[in-house]
Amino acid sequence: AQKITQTQPGMFVQEKEAVTLDCTYDTSDQSYGLFWYKQPSSGEMIFLIYQGSYDEQNATEGRYSLNFQKARKSANLVISASQLGDSAMYFCAMRENPNFGNEKLTFGTGTRLTIIP
Amino acid sequence: DAMVIQNPRYQVTQFGKPVTLSCSQTLNHNVMYWYQQKSSQAPKLLFHYYDKDFNNEADTPDNFQSRRPNTSFCFLDIRSPGLGDAAMYLCATSRLGEGRGTDTQYFGPGTRLTVL
Repeated sequence: AQKITQTQPGMFVQEKEAVTLDCTYDTSDQSYGLFWYKQPSSGEMIFLIYQGSYDEQNATEGRYSLNFQKARKSANLVISASQLGDSAMYFCAMRENPNFGNEKLTFGTGTRLTIIP
Repeated sequence: DAMVIQNPRYQVTQFGKPVTLSCSQTLNHNVMYWYQQKSSQAPKLLFHYYDKDFNNEADTPDNFQSRRPNTSFCFLDIRSPGLGDAAMYLCATSRLGEGRGTDTQYFGPGTRLTVL
């Protein structure tokens, strides 16, 4: 079974609108972390935002926020006031309860976001 | 600025000719990772070093090797590249053991490998 599911292969959004990228996850661990990365066409993976499983408040970083619904096992990324530079591939990833020194990330298949002027 | 650096950004090699990709970091992180990413796919972890301890993924081919001579540098060696090894290779680092969120992985710009 997929541990990270991103159901939107591609999205087109008008500039300045808000956009929500969906991510659901599957784990039996109590302690885990959820991450979002942005990958522009240049290829670099850029860290955007982190949410820990014990965090009671949704994470926010500038225009990025994470809508964390633990019971539903979802961790959607919300980008407010989208800009042309937001056009990229977006990956959701999960770090399950790691053995010390055995850190691993599991990535979803990604969502390609295109911002339309 | 502290960062993860990969050299070269683009590498062209011939089928079967060994190639080495380089990664360095100024973040003083104790963990370094190598990922392979093929077109339109998610990154796939090949192996990682926690300090000097090497952790190989079970499905990483023997053709791929790695070296970490010191904290700052890590190398990916492909002994006999095949056409199927053409991909983006991403290096990442993280710092374990200092609390929540500090295990975030930070990636370099990647090396795009072409095999002729």
